[in-house]
Amino acid sequence: GEDVEQSLFLSVREGDSSVINCTYTDSSSTYLYWYKQEPGAGLQLLTYIFSNMDMKQDQRLTVLLNKKDKHLSLRIADTQTGDSAIYFCAEPRRGNNRLAFGKGNQVVVIP
Amino acid sequence: DVKVTQSSRYLVKRTGEKVFLECVQDMDHENMFWYRQDPGLGLRLIYFSYDVKMKEKGDIPEGYSVSREKKERFSLILESASTNQTSMYLCASSSLLNTEAFFGQGTRLTVV
Repeated sequence: GEDVEQSLFLSVREGDSSVINCTYTDSSSTYLYWYKQEPGAGLQLLTYIFSNMDMKQDQRLTVLLNKKDKHLSLRIADTQTGDSAIYFCAEPRRGNNRLAFGKGNQVVVIP
Repeated sequence: DVKVTQSSRYLVKRTGEKVFLECVQDMDHENMFWYRQDPGLGLRLIYFSYDVKMKEKGDIPEGYSVSREKKERFSLILESASTNQTSMYLCASSSLLNTEAFFGQGTRLTVV
């Protein structure tokens, strides 16, 4: 099947901003999701955006959606050590019955 | 608090053994999923179920089967474990009305 694309690794200094990018495949996706996976744990929903929005801000998180290019990004302001994790973007597939995930982007925060 | 619980955090099994991974959710969700997670490959869907006794193959079903006898429980079965099935296994559930998936904590399976 078609893949949701993400770059694999990002290191960032504590206090700087992090930007994680994702390219999704289905222009008709109604929601797009960002999940966070801390070491040794399952995935937790971090934030999501409706497809009729260009931007969503939630405290230190900003999600940008470019529907024309099918590009999704997650910006984390004032990155902290607790933000060290793998971040996955995801989009619905097969009549919204399931999610397709990117390969994940590992973020390492350097103190 | 919504909860998806996987029966084991860590498992070590021998090649050829039959392995059962259990997952229970308490949210009355219709959909349940089994993924495996490997470095550099992300999450890959093995099987999913959208109702009791219903199942559908995901992207990598070979070597696996599943069972859903009750709505809250979804089991992943490795009929004859092999070393290439060493991986992190993640169970998830979602409702029919909302694609947001809730994940268990994962089971790290090692086949020796």
